[in-house]
Amino acid sequence: DIGMTQSPESLAVSLGERATITCKSVQSVFFTSNKKNYLAWYQKKPGLPPKLLISWASTRESGVPDRFSGSGSATDFTLTIDSLQAEDVAVYYCLQYFSSPFNFGPGTKVQIK
Amino acid sequence: QVTLKESGPVLVKPTETLTLTCAVSGLSLSHADMGVSWIRQPPGRALEWLAHIFANGETSYNTSLNRRLYISKDTSTSQVFLTLPNMDPVDTATYYCARMMGRLAPFDVWGQGAMVTVSS
Repeated sequence: DIGMTQSPESLAVSLGERATITCKSVQSVFFTSNKKNYLAWYQKKPGLPPKLLISWASTRESGVPDRFSGSGSATDFTLTIDSLQAEDVAVYYCLQYFSSPFNFGPGTKVQIK
Repeated sequence: QVTLKESGPVLVKPTETLTLTCAVSGLSLSHADMGVSWIRQPPGRALEWLAHIFANGETSYNTSLNRRLYISKDTSTSQVFLTLPNMDPVDTATYYCARMMGRLAPFDVWGQGAMVTVSS
């Protein structure tokens, strides 16, 4: 299993400020043959299914606001929300899909300060 | 447009077996790249990946729940099933099915989820 950790567990950010979430995997999720990181970020709001924000560590999905960005490689990854908006209040999860069994991180709750 | 929809019992008793169905539309389960996972979220807790069935029928399971989970599919009816025997109140959760398009890819299409409560 490739275990995942996230930090912080929760954070409160003022509207318009930046939120930064980190995700770490116990082993690399970088595939050397295609130079891709098998790491995704999801946004989860109550009553709704998870929404895919970022795939391949840094590829924003269609329709996702450009204030969301992903970075990192191998075992260390970051999700950044620039200029936090009220609608960004949610729990954010990373997912490794480098190998099965697949694993989500424990989640980071983002709130407004 | 690909859609997934979960169905199953809302309430099950402890020790009973849960069987959930994920109905897939918009793309055949026979498609070479079509894989489906089951994921759950207990109230107030994190997402937990449970099981996956690859396009070729190969399966993979959550290590901690391995012996209790069984995933299968019926390509003729475009359905994926999850069986979880010996249900316990800790299995109370919203259960989601989600598509993985490719051998290894992010889950890009999700069902709306099915809430299952385990209680006597």
